[in-house]
Parts: sequence; structure tokens; C-alpha cells
Amino acid sequence: AQKVTQAQTEISVVEKEDVTLDCVYETRDTTYYLFWYKQPPSGELVFLIRRNSFDEQNEISGRYSWNFQKSTSSFNFTITASQVVDSAVYFCALSVLSNYGGSQGNLIFGKGTKLSVKP
Amino acid sequence: GAVVSQHPSRVICKSGTSVKIECRSLDFQATTMFWYRQFPKQSLMLMATSNEGSKATYEQGVEKDKFLINHASLTLSTLTVTSAHPEDSSFYICSAKELQGNRGSPLHFGNGTRLTVT
Repeated sequence: AQKVTQAQTEISVVEKEDVTLDCVYETRDTTYYLFWYKQPPSGELVFLIRRNSFDEQNEISGRYSWNFQKSTSSFNFTITASQVVDSAVYFCALSVLSNYGGSQGNLIFGKGTKLSVKP
Repeated sequence: GAVVSQHPSRVICKSGTSVKIECRSLDFQATTMFWYRQFPKQSLMLMATSNEGSKATYEQGVEKDKFLINHASLTLSTLTVTSAHPEDSSFYICSAKELQGNRGSPLHFGNGTRLTVT
């Protein structure tokens, strides 16, 4: 079965601190995609990154970086020098190519991590 | 970039009435749209997959007669909550994948509809 676990329910940091959001996934598929989405208080979901299972290179985009490790089935997200505007709920999600476990192309979401960045 | 428009953003209705939520892909075509529901402080749970020109596929536990889905064109899917009850109060959010997209393509999400049933 497919599953995404975000063990951290809530994290609170002070502005300029670095913070890492953990994501652990489970799937029997060898080909899959991992995503991170940001959901600010306004409710919309903002796409941040996609990573396929064959690309374990870490990625950096500005203050954001992602560490994908297949050996531990983890896809962690780090925000460097956090800012108040980073306050949101962050979801990690998994998409598999097979049809079992859910509709094809459907994203399986973790429960989300609420990040609060205080000034 | 790809934009998905969802309307209305907020609706309050009385128990027993029906509510229609629209999801439109504004600058791309989508054969498949997904409808999710999110209860407060919970994750997004897939309700159904909307397929253009065919019947929707519902997830286990979702009543298809209560949540009617119509995907009449490549840019529009609608979700109608029939005979709404207070327990249907939730945040409903649609998403769409571009026509040429594969399973690795990111879903583009609408801004969601907050439904409150009194």
C-alpha cells in the first residue's frame, strides 16, 4: 500500500532559523513521484517541487532545499533562514504509476506539517 | 502557468439543500480532475476522480449519489453536494492535470471551497 508519513505535526521557529520538515513514504512501486506542496492560511495549494524515483540528486531553489534518500524512503524539505511568510502547512505527497492503491495519477498526501515562523 | 479556478470560494447553505462547486482549468485542457476533501487540521483525502465524458470513479466510502460529479468538457468539472448535512461541512478542493501530462505531472489545484452547512 502507498503511504506518506509526516511525523511532525507542528513546528515553531524564530525567523532566520533553519528548519527541516520530514517526509517518509511507503510504496511497492519502483517508479514513483514525490511532491511537496505549501498551503498558506488562505487555503490554496502551491506546488513546490516534484522528484521522480530515479533522480536522487538533491535540489536547491533559493532558500528551499530537498534531500531525497531512497535508502531510507525519505524526502525531507529544508527551509534556510526562515521568514514569517513561510508560515503555512506543508504537505508531502506521493504518486505511483500502478493502479492499485488508488486512482492513477492521484496524489497520496501526508497529514501535513504546520510551520509557524515567529518574528 | 497552469491555472485552476474553483467557484465559489465559500458557501453557507441550509441542511437539506444542494450545493454545486465548479472547477475550471483556465489555460489548459484536463481529461482528468480530482476532487479532494479536507477536514480541519487534516490532510487532503481523495473523494473521486472525474473523467471527461465518462462516469467518475469514487473512492471507497464516498457516496456517489450524494456527491455528484459531472465532467462535461475538457475544462470543467462540477461537484454537487446533494441534500447537504452539517457533517458535509468541509474544505473541498479540486485539482487537474494537463492533457499531455503523465503520472509524474504535478496537479494544479483550485483555491478550494469552504462549505458550511447549517
